[in-house]
Amino acid sequence: GESVGLHLPTLSVQEGDNSIINCAYSNSASDYFIWYKQESGKGPQFIIDIRSNMDKRQGQRVTVLLNKTVKHLSLQIAATQPGDSAVYFCAEMRGGADGLTFGKGTHLIIQP
Amino acid sequence: GAVVSQHPSWVICKSGTSVKIECRSLDFQATTMFWYRQFPKQSLMLMATSNEGSKATYEQGVEKDKFLINHASLTLSTLTVTSAHPEDSSFYICSAPPWQVGNSNQPQHFGDGTRLSIL
Repeated sequence: GESVGLHLPTLSVQEGDNSIINCAYSNSASDYFIWYKQESGKGPQFIIDIRSNMDKRQGQRVTVLLNKTVKHLSLQIAATQPGDSAVYFCAEMRGGADGLTFGKGTHLIIQP
Repeated sequence: GAVVSQHPSWVICKSGTSVKIECRSLDFQATTMFWYRQFPKQSLMLMATSNEGSKATYEQGVEKDKFLINHASLTLSTLTVTSAHPEDSSFYICSAPPWQVGNSNQPQHFGDGTRLSIL
Protein backbone atom coordinates (compact mmCIF):
# COMPACT_ATOMS: atom_id res chain seq x y z
CA GLY A 1 0.00 0.00 0.00
CA GLU A 2 0.93 3.65 -0.10
CA SER A 3 1.82 5.70 2.91
CA VAL A 4 3.05 9.19 3.49
CA GLY A 5 6.13 9.47 5.65
CA LEU A 6 7.78 12.48 7.16
CA HIS A 7 9.31 13.47 3.84
CA LEU A 8 8.92 10.86 1.11
CA PRO A 9 5.81 8.76 0.49
CA THR A 10 6.54 5.06 0.21
CA LEU A 11 4.94 2.54 -2.12
CA SER A 12 5.52 -1.12 -1.40
CA VAL A 13 4.66 -3.69 -4.09
CA GLN A 14 5.23 -7.37 -4.68
CA GLU A 15 7.75 -8.39 -7.28
CA GLY A 16 5.97 -9.04 -10.54
CA ASP A 17 3.03 -6.78 -9.76
CA ASN A 18 2.36 -3.51 -11.52
CA SER A 19 3.25 -0.24 -9.78
CA ILE A 20 1.49 3.07 -10.12
CA ILE A 21 3.19 6.19 -8.85
CA ASN A 22 1.24 9.42 -8.78
CA CYS A 23 2.27 13.04 -8.92
CA ALA A 24 0.42 16.32 -8.72
CA TYR A 25 2.14 19.15 -10.53
CA SER A 26 1.80 22.79 -9.70
CA ASN A 27 2.00 24.97 -12.77
CA SER A 28 -0.79 24.90 -15.34
CA ALA A 29 1.59 26.61 -17.78
CA SER A 30 3.99 23.64 -17.73
CA ASP A 31 4.13 21.90 -21.07
CA TYR A 32 6.74 19.21 -20.62
CA PHE A 33 6.85 16.51 -17.97
CA ILE A 34 9.48 13.94 -17.11
CA TRP A 35 9.76 10.98 -14.77
CA TYR A 36 13.13 10.33 -13.18
CA LYS A 37 14.43 7.42 -11.13
CA GLN A 38 17.00 8.11 -8.43
CA GLU A 39 19.01 5.42 -6.72
CA SER A 40 20.80 6.10 -3.47
CA GLY A 41 23.80 8.38 -3.86
CA LYS A 42 23.25 8.98 -7.57
CA GLY A 43 21.77 11.61 -9.79
CA PRO A 44 18.31 11.27 -11.37
CA GLN A 45 18.05 8.92 -14.32
CA PHE A 46 15.61 9.67 -17.15
CA ILE A 47 12.72 7.18 -17.50
CA ILE A 48 10.10 8.69 -19.77
CA ASP A 49 8.70 12.06 -20.77
CA ILE A 50 5.49 13.48 -22.16
CA ARG A 51 4.42 16.77 -23.68
CA SER A 52 1.22 18.57 -22.80
CA ASN A 53 -0.34 17.84 -26.18
CA MET A 54 -0.46 14.14 -25.26
CA ASP A 55 -2.24 12.27 -22.48
CA LYS A 56 -0.42 8.95 -22.67
CA ARG A 57 2.97 7.70 -23.70
CA GLN A 58 4.42 4.23 -23.47
CA GLY A 59 7.97 3.00 -23.15
CA GLN A 60 9.51 -0.30 -22.30
CA ARG A 61 7.56 -1.55 -19.24
CA VAL A 62 6.59 2.01 -18.36
CA THR A 63 3.62 4.19 -19.22
CA VAL A 64 3.07 7.83 -18.33
CA LEU A 65 -0.41 9.30 -18.12
CA LEU A 66 -1.10 13.02 -18.06
CA ASN A 67 -4.35 14.62 -16.92
CA LYS A 68 -4.07 18.35 -17.47
CA THR A 69 -7.55 19.04 -16.12
CA VAL A 70 -6.55 18.09 -12.60
CA LYS A 71 -2.79 18.60 -13.08
CA HIS A 72 -2.01 14.99 -12.39
CA LEU A 73 0.73 12.74 -13.73
CA SER A 74 1.22 9.03 -13.15
CA LEU A 75 3.90 6.48 -13.90
CA GLN A 76 2.95 2.87 -14.38
CA ILE A 77 5.63 0.20 -14.17
CA ALA A 78 4.65 -3.22 -15.43
CA ALA A 79 5.93 -6.44 -13.86
CA THR A 80 7.98 -4.68 -11.21
CA GLN A 81 11.47 -6.05 -10.68
CA PRO A 82 13.90 -5.71 -7.74
CA GLY A 83 15.99 -3.31 -9.81
CA ASP A 84 13.04 -0.93 -9.90
CA SER A 85 13.55 -0.12 -6.22
CA ALA A 86 14.41 3.58 -6.07
CA VAL A 87 12.92 7.00 -5.49
CA TYR A 88 10.82 8.26 -8.39
CA PHE A 89 10.34 11.94 -9.12
CA CYS A 90 8.10 13.68 -11.56
CA ALA A 91 9.39 16.96 -12.94
CA GLU A 92 7.74 19.74 -14.89
CA MET A 93 9.11 22.40 -17.13
CA ARG A 94 7.55 25.62 -18.28
CA GLY A 95 9.17 25.37 -21.65
CA GLY A 96 12.10 26.99 -23.36
CA ALA A 97 15.37 26.95 -21.45
CA ASP A 98 14.04 26.61 -17.92
CA GLY A 99 15.18 24.41 -15.11
CA LEU A 100 12.97 21.65 -13.79
CA THR A 101 10.52 21.80 -10.90
CA PHE A 102 10.50 18.46 -9.13
CA GLY A 103 7.67 16.80 -7.26
CA LYS A 104 8.14 15.41 -3.78
CA GLY A 105 9.13 11.92 -4.88
CA THR A 106 7.95 8.41 -4.04
CA HIS A 107 10.11 5.67 -2.62
CA LEU A 108 9.25 2.42 -4.41
CA ILE A 109 10.07 -0.73 -2.44
CA ILE A 110 9.85 -4.14 -4.08
CA GLN A 111 8.88 -7.03 -1.84
CA PRO A 112 10.20 -10.47 -2.85
CA GLY B 1 25.01 10.25 -25.64
CA ALA B 2 24.33 13.36 -23.53
CA VAL B 3 26.54 12.33 -20.61
CA VAL B 4 27.13 14.73 -17.74
CA SER B 5 30.06 14.26 -15.38
CA GLN B 6 30.37 15.82 -11.93
CA HIS B 7 33.45 16.09 -9.75
CA PRO B 8 34.19 15.49 -6.95
CA SER B 9 31.59 12.95 -5.90
CA TRP B 10 32.21 13.50 -2.20
CA VAL B 11 33.76 16.29 -0.16
CA ILE B 12 34.29 16.65 3.58
CA CYS B 13 35.77 19.90 4.80
CA LYS B 14 35.95 22.25 7.75
CA SER B 15 33.55 25.09 8.34
CA GLY B 16 34.70 28.28 6.62
CA THR B 17 36.28 26.50 3.67
CA SER B 18 35.28 27.25 0.10
CA VAL B 19 34.48 24.24 -2.06
CA LYS B 20 34.40 24.05 -5.87
CA ILE B 21 32.26 21.53 -7.73
CA GLU B 22 32.67 20.90 -11.46
CA CYS B 23 30.04 19.87 -13.96
CA ARG B 24 31.06 18.79 -17.46
CA SER B 25 29.10 17.80 -20.52
CA LEU B 26 31.17 15.02 -22.04
CA ASP B 27 29.84 14.54 -25.54
CA PHE B 28 27.99 17.74 -26.30
CA GLN B 29 28.29 21.46 -25.77
CA ALA B 30 26.04 23.10 -23.20
CA THR B 31 25.47 26.85 -23.19
CA THR B 32 23.06 26.27 -20.31
CA MET B 33 23.50 24.09 -17.25
CA PHE B 34 21.48 23.86 -14.07
CA TRP B 35 22.45 23.41 -10.45
CA TYR B 36 20.19 21.68 -7.94
CA ARG B 37 20.42 20.96 -4.23
CA GLN B 38 18.88 17.98 -2.48
CA PHE B 39 18.62 17.46 1.27
CA PRO B 40 18.20 13.92 2.67
CA LYS B 41 14.86 12.31 1.86
CA GLN B 42 13.72 15.42 0.01
CA SER B 43 13.28 16.45 -3.56
CA LEU B 44 15.64 18.35 -5.81
CA MET B 45 15.41 22.12 -5.69
CA LEU B 46 16.67 24.28 -8.53
CA MET B 47 19.31 26.70 -7.29
CA ALA B 48 20.49 28.48 -10.39
CA THR B 49 20.86 28.47 -14.14
CA SER B 50 24.40 28.65 -15.41
CA ASN B 51 24.81 30.54 -18.68
CA GLU B 52 27.93 30.41 -20.82
CA GLY B 53 29.14 33.90 -21.53
CA SER B 54 26.81 35.67 -19.11
CA LYS B 55 25.88 35.82 -15.44
CA ALA B 56 24.09 32.97 -13.74
CA THR B 57 20.42 33.32 -12.88
CA TYR B 58 19.58 32.43 -9.28
CA GLU B 59 16.28 31.17 -7.89
CA GLN B 60 14.55 33.11 -5.18
CA GLY B 61 16.17 32.61 -1.81
CA VAL B 62 19.52 31.42 -3.16
CA GLU B 63 22.40 33.71 -2.22
CA LYS B 64 24.46 34.50 -5.29
CA ASP B 65 27.44 35.58 -3.20
CA LYS B 66 27.34 32.31 -1.32
CA PHE B 67 27.03 30.07 -4.36
CA LEU B 68 29.31 31.35 -7.08
CA ILE B 69 28.71 29.97 -10.54
CA ASN B 70 31.14 30.22 -13.43
CA HIS B 71 30.33 28.81 -16.85
CA ALA B 72 33.91 28.72 -18.02
CA SER B 73 33.40 27.03 -21.37
CA LEU B 74 30.80 25.28 -23.46
CA THR B 75 31.44 22.05 -21.58
CA LEU B 76 32.17 23.21 -18.02
CA SER B 77 30.24 24.93 -15.25
CA THR B 78 31.54 25.27 -11.70
CA LEU B 79 29.70 25.90 -8.45
CA THR B 80 31.74 27.30 -5.57
CA VAL B 81 30.23 27.19 -2.10
CA THR B 82 32.02 30.04 -0.35
CA SER B 83 32.77 29.99 3.37
CA ALA B 84 30.76 26.81 3.77
CA HIS B 85 28.98 26.06 7.03
CA PRO B 86 27.29 22.89 8.31
CA GLU B 87 23.90 24.06 7.02
CA ASP B 88 25.35 24.01 3.50
CA SER B 89 25.86 20.26 3.77
CA SER B 90 23.78 18.71 1.05
CA PHE B 91 23.79 16.77 -2.21
CA TYR B 92 24.53 19.11 -5.13
CA ILE B 93 23.56 17.93 -8.60
CA CYS B 94 24.06 19.53 -12.00
CA SER B 95 22.24 18.93 -15.24
CA ALA B 96 22.63 19.93 -18.86
CA PRO B 97 20.05 19.73 -21.60
CA PRO B 98 21.26 18.73 -25.08
CA TRP B 99 19.24 21.56 -26.60
CA GLN B 100 22.34 22.98 -28.11
CA VAL B 101 22.52 20.18 -30.60
CA GLY B 102 19.05 20.94 -31.87
CA ASN B 103 17.27 18.41 -29.70
CA SER B 104 14.89 20.79 -27.98
CA ASN B 105 12.62 17.92 -27.06
CA GLN B 106 15.29 16.03 -25.18
CA PRO B 107 15.24 15.83 -21.37
CA GLN B 108 17.92 17.17 -19.10
CA HIS B 109 20.62 14.70 -18.16
CA PHE B 110 22.05 14.76 -14.68
CA GLY B 111 25.44 14.25 -13.17
CA ASP B 112 25.83 11.81 -10.31
CA GLY B 113 25.97 14.56 -7.73
CA THR B 114 28.43 15.79 -5.12
CA ARG B 115 27.90 14.93 -1.48
CA LEU B 116 29.14 17.92 0.53
CA SER B 117 29.67 17.52 4.26
CA ILE B 118 30.80 20.51 6.31
CA LEU B 119 32.16 19.76 9.78
